[in-house]
Amino acid sequence: GAVVSQHPSWVICKSGTSVKIECRSLDFQATTMFWYRQFPKQSLMLMATSNEGSKATYEQGVEKDKFLINHASLTLSTLTVTSAHPEDSSFYICSARDRYQETQYFGPGTRLLVL
Amino acid sequence: DQQVKQNSPSLSVQEGRISILNCDYTNSMFDYFLWYKKYPAEGPTFLISISSIKDKNEDGRFTVFLNKSAKHLSLHIVPSQPGDSAVYFCAAKNAGGTSYGKLTFGQGTILTVHP
Repeated sequence: GAVVSQHPSWVICKSGTSVKIECRSLDFQATTMFWYRQFPKQSLMLMATSNEGSKATYEQGVEKDKFLINHASLTLSTLTVTSAHPEDSSFYICSARDRYQETQYFGPGTRLLVL
Repeated sequence: DQQVKQNSPSLSVQEGRISILNCDYTNSMFDYFLWYKKYPAEGPTFLISISSIKDKNEDGRFTVFLNKSAKHLSLHIVPSQPGDSAVYFCAAKNAGGTSYGKLTFGQGTILTVHP
C-alpha cells in the first residue's frame, strides 16, 4: 500500500513553455500533498503544501504564479511550471499523506530539463 | 537555519556489520521523525519512523532511537547489506502552527556497504 505515482517521469521543454506534472495517490486518499524540488547533491526543498479543495500554501521564496498547484481531488495534485526557464531545470518530487497517517509517501520524481 | 542536520555526509560499512546513521535537530516543535532511503533520480522510500513519545522503534533490520533531551536520533541497520547502499535522509515533522505536517529534511548521508 501507500503508492504514489508521478507523470511524466522526465520532460524536456523549450524555454517559455509550460509543463504540467501530475502526482497521484494510487491506494489511499491524500488529504494533503506536498511538492518538493531537489537540486544535485542537495536535500529536498519543500515548495508548497496543498490540501484537497483549498489553495496551496507556498514556502517563502517560491513564486506561486510560476508554480501553479492544483489539488482538485483526493488522489490527484498537479504542479504546472509556467513559462519555464533553464533555471527551473530540476528534479521535482511530490509526496502525499492521508488524514490518519503521519508518514508522507513519495512519488518517483520528475526530471525537468528546460532548454 | 538548518533545523535538521546530518553531520556525516558519508558512511562506509562492511557487509554484515552495523550501520549507524545520525541526525540532530533543533526545533522542539518536531513531534514525529522519519527515515527515508533514496537512490539517484528516484523519490525517497519510507523506511521507519518514530513518535516523539517513544525512544525506540524497531522494524526488521532497522531500528530508530530517539533521545529527546539531546535532540538526537539515529538509525541502526543490522546486519548491513550491499543493497542498503543509498542516500539516507532523516526528516522531522512539525507538531502544529502554520507548519503543521511539513517535513524538514536533513542533508542526507551516503551509505556504502562493501561486500
